[in-house]
Amino acid sequence: KNEVEQSPQNLTAQEGEFITINCSYSVGISALHWLQQHPGGGIVSLFMLSSGKKKHGRLIATINIQEKHSSLHITASHPRDSAVYICAVGGDNFGNEKLTFGTGTRLTIIP
Amino acid sequence: SQTIHQWPATLVQPVGSPLSLECTVEGTSNPNLYWYRQAAGRGLQLLFYSVGIGQISSEVPQNLSASRPQDRQFILSSKKLLLSDSGFYLCAWMGRGVKNIQYFGAGTRLSVL
Repeated sequence: KNEVEQSPQNLTAQEGEFITINCSYSVGISALHWLQQHPGGGIVSLFMLSSGKKKHGRLIATINIQEKHSSLHITASHPRDSAVYICAVGGDNFGNEKLTFGTGTRLTIIP
Repeated sequence: SQTIHQWPATLVQPVGSPLSLECTVEGTSNPNLYWYRQAAGRGLQLLFYSVGIGQISSEVPQNLSASRPQDRQFILSSKKLLLSDSGFYLCAWMGRGVKNIQYFGAGTRLSVL
């Protein structure tokens, strides 16, 4: 079973700061997902990546397959970025994609 | 475009009462469907997944069951709720045949009192 650990569990920063959230997993995977959960509970998929780096607006996700580690970065953070960010990893079940989730990082951006 | 509907948004039920949460997907056919639970302070846990009508796989032993009576309908049920069933329940779908992103419903917050 894959163990997924995220750090930090909670992060408070000032608006404009560069944010980094980390995710480590124990077993090789086919893909890693970053999700954003808003205070109301709704979840949005931000990235799915299996190698390298992806960028979407102010969000950047990187993964190092050899080290079994991924990071989510937010540049020029804004209060609307406040949410819980969840890392999830998928196994090798092609087309089934059962995910194992980290417990999330609660990010609070102060104006 | 694809849409996932999940209802109700919130639910308060007494211990021992039955449960039925429904999830429907629009704009796609033959999706993989998933039910997750997020207990307070914990990560998402996969409860059930389905690769087709009538095909249900259970990930953890529990007081809940799932059914898929139609291609795009996934139902989470219980005959008698326990206090420990309280949590946030999410339905998700993924397109078949391609390693794709899972799309989540808005979730149902269940409180068992």
